[in-house]
Amino acid sequence: EVQLVESGGGLVKPGGSLRLSCAASGFTFNNAWMSWVRQAPGKGLEWVGRIKSKTDGGTTDYAAPVKGRFTISRDDSKNTLYLQMSSLKTDDTAVYYCTTANDWGQGTLVTVSS
Amino acid sequence: SYELTQAPSVSVSPGQTARITCSGDALPKQYAYWYQQKPGQAPVLVIYKDSERPSGIPERISGSSSGTTVTLTISGVQAEDEADYYCQSADSSGTVVFGGGTKLTVL
Repeated sequence: EVQLVESGGGLVKPGGSLRLSCAASGFTFNNAWMSWVRQAPGKGLEWVGRIKSKTDGGTTDYAAPVKGRFTISRDDSKNTLYLQMSSLKTDDTAVYYCTTANDWGQGTLVTVSS
Repeated sequence: SYELTQAPSVSVSPGQTARITCSGDALPKQYAYWYQQKPGQAPVLVIYKDSERPSGIPERISGSSSGTTVTLTISGVQAEDEADYYCQSADSSGTVVFGGGTKLTVL
């Protein structure tokens, strides 16, 4: 059974940083392209970014609102996906999901507020 | 920036057919994916590559594509189908985009 478990969310002040983790199991993580998707309270889904598998180059792509502030990385030895967020804004407040596209975690809430 | 357009809401009676559309200029060249999301839950993939159904998704849920519009069709709608539905695709550079979502109400 595929499991994706996000962690690391919480309350952070504007301008601050936070790192989210996503522990994966039940599939061959090192072969998977992994994405982060967020959902602001009461709003729709918003793609944050993606990292390809190392065999496909391991490159990253980001949505315009987070480019230059967020960094996606992966540790295939730990089956873990990361999202490093910096220069956080109140607009970044959302539930953050990690996803393979087929499967999703339950999400972790990030609140950016003074 | 590239956008996928969905109607905000669709309402149908139980047993009827619901059709949820998603429009975007790149859809003739990029696959569409559909997600169902119920309140307080993570999204669930219900259609991939325009019309393929993942295992476990009932046959009454189907997808189709025509030109710049893709359609999610739910036949014989049941109360359990009430949810938000999101289309997802990509622009010509591969950047992923979600539609704004359609709230399906079962009357």
